Amino acid sequence: DGGITQSPKYLFRKEGQNVTLSCEQNLNHDAMYWYRQDPGQGLRLIYYSQIVNDFQKGDIAEGYSVSREKKESFPLTVTSAQKNPTAFYLCASSRGWSNEQFFGPGTRLTVL
Amino acid sequence: AQSVAQPEDQVNVAEGNPLTVKCTYSVSGNPYLFWYVQYPNRGLQFLLKYITGDNLVKGSYGFEAEFNKSQTSFHLKKPSALVSDSALYFCAVRDNSGAGSYQLTFGKGTKLSVIP
Repeated sequence: DGGITQSPKYLFRKEGQNVTLSCEQNLNHDAMYWYRQDPGQGLRLIYYSQIVNDFQKGDIAEGYSVSREKKESFPLTVTSAQKNPTAFYLCASSRGWSNEQFFGPGTRLTVL
Repeated sequence: AQSVAQPEDQVNVAEGNPLTVKCTYSVSGNPYLFWYVQYPNRGLQFLLKYITGDNLVKGSYGFEAEFNKSQTSFHLKKPSALVSDSALYFCAVRDNSGAGSYQLTFGKGTKLSVIP
């Protein structure tokens, strides 16, 4: 998990509320990613960013939004439009497109 | 499109025995292949990767993987399993034909249980 921090570790949200998950890296990586992990489904890509002020939708972007104003930071907002937000969310970064990704410790979001 | 399959949801092996976790892939160009391990309620940790070159790749914690282009496989192996190897293992692939494509496709994971 070294070099990438995610906060909080656990997050509880009421239905209808937006919530923002934090991801910070000090690895000087250009690329950052957000994944969602559900039991038995592996990891699914939500959004990714190759450089500052640029990001692209992944496979399951609906109901999520991101920003990339700084190289070190890539926050994810889970909006009220996301119909089933309860999941484990993982942030990652990489030096380039052929390089391995380094993962943060994850945030477990529960909607009450 | 790129895809990866891990045909076994769970693998059980006795401590000290060799272990294999299987992975097959599909890409239109040449593959970049990765193995990651995840312990409960933690992020993924990188184990090893194949980009080009020698088909046998050695990685962290004594793990290795063999790239087989004809069988489109990249199985993870270890000669002697430890109880501490018990975890969830993910194979991932990226098609290198799309330069600048950052998307990595993960398998659904294989739970490895090493029995004392």
